[in-house]
Amino acid sequence: EPEVTQTPSHQVTQMGQEVILRCVPISNHLYFYWYRQILGQKVEFLVSFYNNEISEKSEIFDDQFSVERPDGSNFTLKIRSTKLEDSAMYFCASRQNSGANVLTFGAGSRLTVL
Amino acid sequence: GQNIDQPTEMTATEGAIVQINCTYQTSGFNGLFWYQQHAGEAPTFLSYNVLDGLEEKGRFSSFLSRSKGYSYLLLKELQMKDSASYLCALARGGYNKLIFGAGTRLAVHP
Repeated sequence: EPEVTQTPSHQVTQMGQEVILRCVPISNHLYFYWYRQILGQKVEFLVSFYNNEISEKSEIFDDQFSVERPDGSNFTLKIRSTKLEDSAMYFCASRQNSGANVLTFGAGSRLTVL
Repeated sequence: GQNIDQPTEMTATEGAIVQINCTYQTSGFNGLFWYQQHAGEAPTFLSYNVLDGLEEKGRFSSFLSRSKGYSYLLLKELQMKDSASYLCALARGGYNKLIFGAGTRLAVHP
C-alpha cells in the first residue's frame, strides 16, 4: 500500500538552530499538509500546500516556518530558529484530488529542542 | 471557528461494543472523519461521513447528524489491539484541512 515517508524519524537540536524535516508524499497525491502534535496534546494543523504554493496556514505557522517542494517528490518543513516549544512530533500528510479526500499521514518526525 | 468535544478516556472489555461520541460546532463543514492513533504513531484513517446516517466498515461504523452537530464511532467485537486514541476531525475549507479534537483514549481490558 502506498505510504507517506518522513525523515528523520527523530532529530535533536539546540535552541536557535535551523531544522529541515523531509516528507515524500504518495506519488499521485496533489495536496500536502504539515501537522504537529506536542506530547500529550492534540494534532494541530500547520499548513496546507497545493499547486506549488501555500493554500492555508494556521496561527502557529509564523515567520519561523516555511515549506517547500524543491522537486517532484519531496515536501519539506523548515523551522528557521528553533525554540523549546517547537519540540513535538511533526506529521506530513497528503491526499488525492478526488474521492473521499482522506488524508494519509506519515509516521512522523520527532523533534526535540534542547 | 470550530469546537470539537469528545470524552477524554473510556474503558471497555474485550469482545464488547463501545461507542465514542463527538459533538462539534463549526462555521464550515466538508465532512467528519475518524482516525485511530496508537501512542507514538501516526493517525490512521478509519471512517468518514459527509451526509447524515451510518457508514459501516467491518468492525467500525460511524454515524453523523449534521443538524445536531453530533457523530459517533462504534467499535464492535473489541480486541486488545483496539486500545488507542480515537480522533474526531472536521474537514473544513477549500483544501479540506482536518481540524482534530483532543481524542478519546480507549483502554480495552481482557
